[in-house]
Amino acid sequence: DTGVSQDPRHKITKRGQNVTFRCDPISEHNRLYWYRQTLGQGPEFLTYFQNEAQLEKSRLLSDRFSAERPKGSFSTLEIQRTEQGDSAMYLCASSLALGLAGFYEQYFGPGTRLTVT
Amino acid sequence: GDSVTQMEGPVTLSEEAFLTINCTYTATGYPSLFWYVQYPGEGLQLLLKATKADDKGSNKGFEATYRKETTSFHLEKGSVQVSDSAVYFCALSGSNFGNEKLTFGTGTRLTIIP
Repeated sequence: DTGVSQDPRHKITKRGQNVTFRCDPISEHNRLYWYRQTLGQGPEFLTYFQNEAQLEKSRLLSDRFSAERPKGSFSTLEIQRTEQGDSAMYLCASSLALGLAGFYEQYFGPGTRLTVT
Repeated sequence: GDSVTQMEGPVTLSEEAFLTINCTYTATGYPSLFWYVQYPGEGLQLLLKATKADDKGSNKGFEATYRKETTSFHLEKGSVQVSDSAVYFCALSGSNFGNEKLTFGTGTRLTIIP
């Protein structure tokens, strides 16, 4: 079990450029979540997937943001036409969902820090 | 919507002091409550949880009790150590299973001095 991994760890981009982040969940986990954390704040939910289906999207996820999980394994989060307000840490987490009673912890990756200049 | 209000930091304590970090919440239904911790240079980790009223979560000497009447989930530790220095986040989920979206507080930075 190598944990949740995210790539890249840091990204600096100019305003107006597109960026894409990748998240690899723990291998047997069927749920994958994206959160955004700005400086001095707690993480805010963006969206989550169960397998390849995107089950919920926050209103924070404007039309410039798109997330995919095409084969139910890794996920990508793309931001088009970046703005300075997009500067944040983007966190990915994964968990199980088995439809059975019990507690299924969300495991977080190290995050991708985006700086828009 | 759901929200979590957390004690503002930063908090600085001497080693072996008693710690309390306050957390209150607003939610519909019966949320599950969590404390997550972020150590320097590391990702968020679940510290403890409580999934129903009057449950007490505990781990690594930390405790928190789910108080429905006061909508609170305060984090406590009797004797803190330098290694407890981290940022602590209170969070809630609408699910008892833990695998629905989490709503976080703003975090409290704790520094323990020897």
